[in-house]
This record gives sequence, structure tokens and C-alpha cells, in this order.
Amino acid sequence: ETGVTQTPRHLVMGMTNKKSLKCEQHLGHNAMYWYKQSAKKPLELMFVYSLEERVENNSVPSRFSPECPNSSHLFLHLHTLQPEDSALYLCASSQDAGTITYNEQFFGPGTRLTVL
Amino acid sequence: LAKTTQPISMDSYEGQEVNITCSHNNIATNDYITWYQQFPSQGPRFIIQGYKTKVTNEVASLFIPADRKSSTLSLPRVSLSDTAVYYCLVGDVSNFNKFYFGSGTKLNVKP
Repeated sequence: ETGVTQTPRHLVMGMTNKKSLKCEQHLGHNAMYWYKQSAKKPLELMFVYSLEERVENNSVPSRFSPECPNSSHLFLHLHTLQPEDSALYLCASSQDAGTITYNEQFFGPGTRLTVL
Repeated sequence: LAKTTQPISMDSYEGQEVNITCSHNNIATNDYITWYQQFPSQGPRFIIQGYKTKVTNEVASLFIPADRKSSTLSLPRVSLSDTAVYYCLVGDVSNFNKFYFGSGTKLNVKP
């Protein structure tokens, strides 16, 4: 596989469930990101990881828990979500984060999450 | 953080040139201007980036006036497959890539 992959592509869960979203990048990048895209709202940056260290957490509720075990994999663990958390969750990667030159972000196809 | 303002939607016909303007009055000295394209049910895709004057690649051109308070993405001879949402982002490339997406412009290309 090439680029950035995300699994599952679609997920339906109840408010008491625990699930995880997986992202994998095959580009040799050092930075990975989680975004949330709700209907009719801009993409919201949730978390940024650089060299497996979390460098950004945009006031995201604790029911979202990211994990970056290595530079190629990123997880988003979900528990006790609310219906308003239903959205498209996008993963992205870039060569680096925080350098003097711009690093283009490569996005995965996203996971469409529905919370019942 | 420089806020961006774009038209919500635009209509065009195949073969026309499309210009989408983005306003960013509070752009900072270190900020770059970047445009992404997003198709339904897909993640955004980088189109072009610039700092000042004009930048051109195989897909689009980006025009930035001297005061940098706005920018215009130009798509030459659009086709139906260019129907997408186009996002203008402004940010400091050294700040952990904190480029924030606005609401974007929904471009609808008609036959």
C-alpha cells in the first residue's frame, strides 16, 4: 500500500462502546495528525505527533485518546462518545512538523464515525 | 492566527478559468499561503503554496499581491472532475504545521 491508509472506513458505535481508529503511513514521514471534520464545519486539528511525541492537543475531550507507537502508525482510541462526535476523522502525515520549510500534509481517506 | 475568508460556493462551466479569492487581512510576516482540494469522502490534497507574487505548478497558479492580505487561486480550463471544496490556509510553517482549515469554497463545475 502507498500513502496514508485508515481503517476502518466506516464505524458505527454506541455511546458506551470502546473502539479504535487506525492510521498507517507508508511515506517515511516523521509527523502525523488527527483531524475531525463535522458536517458543515471546517476541519479541526485534534492532535499532532512529531517523532512519536505528542506536540499538540487542541483542547480535545479526554474521551479521545491518541497513541503513536512508532512513526508509521497512529491510533485514536474512542470511549464513551457522544452523538455530536459523529464525523469524518482524518489522519494526515508530513515529512516533519516544525521546520523552516513547509511540509505538505498527505491525508488518508478518513473514517466515517457514527455514534448512536 | 491569521483568519481566512473565502466565498462559500462558486459555479463554473467546463473549459473556463476559475479564480477563487481568499482574504487574510491579519497575515503575519512568517505566514505562508496554502491551498488544498477536497473531494467528497476523501481527505484534502495539497494544490499549491506561496509566500508572495506568483507561483505556478502543473495544476494551478497562485497570485499574491504585495500587501499579502489576499490571494487568488487560479484553475485554468476546469473540468467536471475539478468539482470539489477548495481550502485556503495561512500559517507559520515553523509552528508545528498549525495550518487551520477554514470553511472552504465549494466549486461546482457544470457541463
